[in-house]
Amino acid sequence: GNSVTQMEGPVTLSEEAFLTINCTYTATGYPSLFWYVQYPGEGLQLLLKATKADDKGSNKGFEATYRKETTSFHLEKGSVQVSDSAVYFCALKLTGGGNKLTFGTGTQLKVEL
Amino acid sequence: DTAVSQTPKYLVTQMGNDKSIKCEQNLGHDTMYWYKQDSKKFLKIMFSYNNKELIINETVPNRFSPKSPDKAHLNLHINSLELGDSAVYFCASSQQGTTYNEQFFGPGTRLTVL
Repeated sequence: GNSVTQMEGPVTLSEEAFLTINCTYTATGYPSLFWYVQYPGEGLQLLLKATKADDKGSNKGFEATYRKETTSFHLEKGSVQVSDSAVYFCALKLTGGGNKLTFGTGTQLKVEL
Repeated sequence: DTAVSQTPKYLVTQMGNDKSIKCEQNLGHDTMYWYKQDSKKFLKIMFSYNNKELIINETVPNRFSPKSPDKAHLNLHINSLELGDSAVYFCASSQQGTTYNEQFFGPGTRLTVL
């Protein structure tokens, strides 16, 4: 079946540190890949996306590259801020199937001063 | 001008009760979803409706009954509530046929069953 595996959190970093949150996937077919962010007390927001191999999604200083050979979509940011503290979800979606998103378990990021 | 709204935001109730959660979207989307997020933040789809027609039903107990009176609304009714139903329930919507079919999420309803 289809699944997404994320590194377990929480991840605690100092402000301006480099961030990597690992995400790998298993899918039958060629999925689109997404990162969603959930700030405390809020719903999920789409952070970035990529639809095919070697695509790079980017937004708000975050980046992730769709790596078909390693079935990965790792999230990176060069310099995190306290305001980036949130839970980050990696997700995949296959064409058809009712537009169903399959999420990873989420990784909590805490950024401290 | 909230895009996807849910009511109530918090719901505390006793085991065995029946309750409903409402969702409305003003984005003009044709597809709506219900997700359940458990205490460990794991998020799983429950249902999806496209143009008021059920298209995803993910092995959810039949105590859960979604209802879509029109494209802009998707309500979730839960009968005979159990402790394990305690979770945050998120509604989402999207438009089929767009490049990414991006899903927009509501703020969530935190259900606590005592």
